[in-house]
Amino acid sequence: DIQMTQSPSRLSASIGDRVTITCRASQSVSRWLAWYQQKPGKAPKLLIYKSSTLEDGVPSRFSGSGFETEFTFTISSLQPDDSATYYCLQYGNFRTFGQGTKVEVK
Amino acid sequence: DVQLVESGGALVQPGGSLTLSCAASGFPFSSYTMNWVRQAPGKAPEWVAYMSARINTITYADFARGRFTISRDDAGRSLHLQMSSLRVEDTAVYYCARGEGFPDYWGRGTLVTVSS
Repeated sequence: DIQMTQSPSRLSASIGDRVTITCRASQSVSRWLAWYQQKPGKAPKLLIYKSSTLEDGVPSRFSGSGFETEFTFTISSLQPDDSATYYCLQYGNFRTFGQGTKVEVK
Repeated sequence: DVQLVESGGALVQPGGSLTLSCAASGFPFSSYTMNWVRQAPGKAPEWVAYMSARINTITYADFARGRFTISRDDAGRSLHLQMSSLRVEDTAVYYCARGEGFPDYWGRGTLVTVSS
């Protein structure tokens, strides 16, 4: 089974800051990596798929990159509405989520 | 609009059984891979099972294999998850989600609590 190691587990940043989250896969998943945002009591919301493709309607301040085992998710200018938990998901071999990163907006 | 509405969650005793359902609307249901994903309180989501369009492929997580059965009724536009031999650790919100690989639409979930 592929394991996904996501870091950091939580972070706190100010409005306008650039925020970066990393996901590392235990073996190559090519570009089969997605990122989700989840707010309390809600289902996860798809932001990015195939490592870097932005889902329709998702603001362009969100971006993703990476290949094989190393992936990065970036919020270029943090907004108050971005307070949430973010998860990576590999779908190259079955499906595995990362442990999540809780983002707090100061 | 795409809608997925789960139902069937309940409080059940360890060793018990439960069947969850997901009613789909707003898209050609029979053309899509459908998934069950669960999330225990305070934990990351965890894949349970998925079933491809036209039932060509069914895949289960290790913990679900042999205890859970995913099925779909394309005419009735519904997805089901039969769960048996339930354990305390199966306690979670169970989501129905649409899509191959990375689901793009999710329901609001239904809560399954396994407790004596």
